[in-house]
Amino acid sequence: GENVEQHPSTLSVQEGDSAVIKCTYSDSASNYFPWYKQELGKRPQLIIDIRSNVGEKKDQRIAVTLNKTAKHFSLHITETQPEDSAVYFCAARVNSGYSTLTFGKGTMLLVSP
Amino acid sequence: DVKVTQSSRYLVKRTGEKVFLECVQDMDHENMFWYRQDPGLGLRLIYFSYDVKMKEKGDIPEGYSVSREKKERFSLILESASTNQTSMYLCASRTGEGQPQHFGDGTRLSIL
Repeated sequence: GENVEQHPSTLSVQEGDSAVIKCTYSDSASNYFPWYKQELGKRPQLIIDIRSNVGEKKDQRIAVTLNKTAKHFSLHITETQPEDSAVYFCAARVNSGYSTLTFGKGTMLLVSP
Repeated sequence: DVKVTQSSRYLVKRTGEKVFLECVQDMDHENMFWYRQDPGLGLRLIYFSYDVKMKEKGDIPEGYSVSREKKERFSLILESASTNQTSMYLCASRTGEGQPQHFGDGTRLSIL
C-alpha cells in the first residue's frame, strides 16, 4: 500500500519567516495530495490540495509544490503569523480501487511572535 | 458549509464494554470514514463506507466494526473495548471520488 513520510515532526519559526514542510510518497499511482491544518482541540481542515497534473498551486500565503519524478510534495507558508501555529498533515491518494487517503504523521508548527 | 457531527466529544468506558461512536453528516455525502489519531502516528484509517450497507476495512480494522444503515450515519463499534483503544477518533465524509474529506470534531475516548 501507499506510505507517506513527513518531515520535520516539529518546526519552530519566528513570525514573518517562511516555513516548509516536506512529504514523500511511495506509490507512483498517487494522484491527489491534500494538506490539512489542525489547530489545538479542533478538527483537521483542508487548506490546500494539488493533483498530479499540476506542479504548483498557490493560495495567498500558502503554496504546494509537487515533484512526481521524485515522489515528493511540499507545503510552503510565507510571512508566517502566530495563528499559523498548528499541526499540519499531508496525505496522498492512490487512484485505484477504493481511493482512500494515506496521511503523514504530522508536523507541529510553532510561530513565535 | 459541511457539517459532520460526532455524538460525543469525550467518552470514558471500561475494559470489555461494547462502545458505539456515532457520526452524522448533513450534506448527503456518499463516502464516510473513521480514523484514529494518536500522537506521533498521524491519522490511521480504521474503516470506510462508500454507500449504505457497504463497508470496507482500512489499515487498522482489528477490534472494530462499523454500521451504515442510513446514508447520513456511520457508526464505529468497539466490540470489547481494550486500553490500547484509548485514542482520538475522527469521522470524515466526502461527496465522492476525487472530492476533499470533511472532518468532525473528534471523540476523545478513554478506556479504563
